[in-house]
Amino acid sequence: QQQVKQSPQSLIVQKGGISIINCAYENTAFDYFPWYQQFPGKGPALLIAIRPDVSEKKEGRFTISFNKSAKQFSLHIMDSQPGDSATYFCAASSDNTGKLIFGQGTTLQVKP
Amino acid sequence: DAMVIQNPRYQVTQFGKPVTLSCSQTLNHNVMYWYQQKSSQAPKLLFHYYDKDFNNEADTPDNFQSRRPNTSFCFLDIRSPGLGDAAMYLCATSRDLWAVEAFFGQGTRLTVV
Repeated sequence: QQQVKQSPQSLIVQKGGISIINCAYENTAFDYFPWYQQFPGKGPALLIAIRPDVSEKKEGRFTISFNKSAKQFSLHIMDSQPGDSATYFCAASSDNTGKLIFGQGTTLQVKP
Repeated sequence: DAMVIQNPRYQVTQFGKPVTLSCSQTLNHNVMYWYQQKSSQAPKLLFHYYDKDFNNEADTPDNFQSRRPNTSFCFLDIRSPGLGDAAMYLCATSRDLWAVEAFFGQGTRLTVV
């Protein structure tokens, strides 16, 4: 059973535009929601993460919006750049297990 | 300043021939994980070590084994690789199990011929 659903599967954005990737989760025990960025041939790297006690977290051009009641969270990339072209994975885990459950991934292409 | 190092980056093995992938870390983290990532898919957790305690995922095939001889090193052994085991294998570490950042290595791309 897929516990973290991610959409869209792929996304094309013009340079300077806003990229938005959405995730939904089922397990209410999840209390840590990271986003990982993965370039081809590389391992995933933590981009930004949020805990459910806040509704938004911003780091530079990257913002996570979190809606606890809807069990949804999203990544917004402002002023998207070609260098942002990568695969983005949302994930969730809980203090009980610590296990990261990944979403299916979104391949982002930012066109110059 | 690589913190999680996987060797080799690329591994070609024959069908049925045992293969070992290695991972080392300089972070002194308690937890080490092995993930399997097939093309265009999310990483899938195979197992993890919390210190010396081994935890296998329920759906990890018996063909996959792991060893952690010390804090810094962890190995993934595939006893009889099949064509379906071709994938990127990712090692990751975290300070603790509980909701903290995981640091990934660059992965080993395994090809089975």
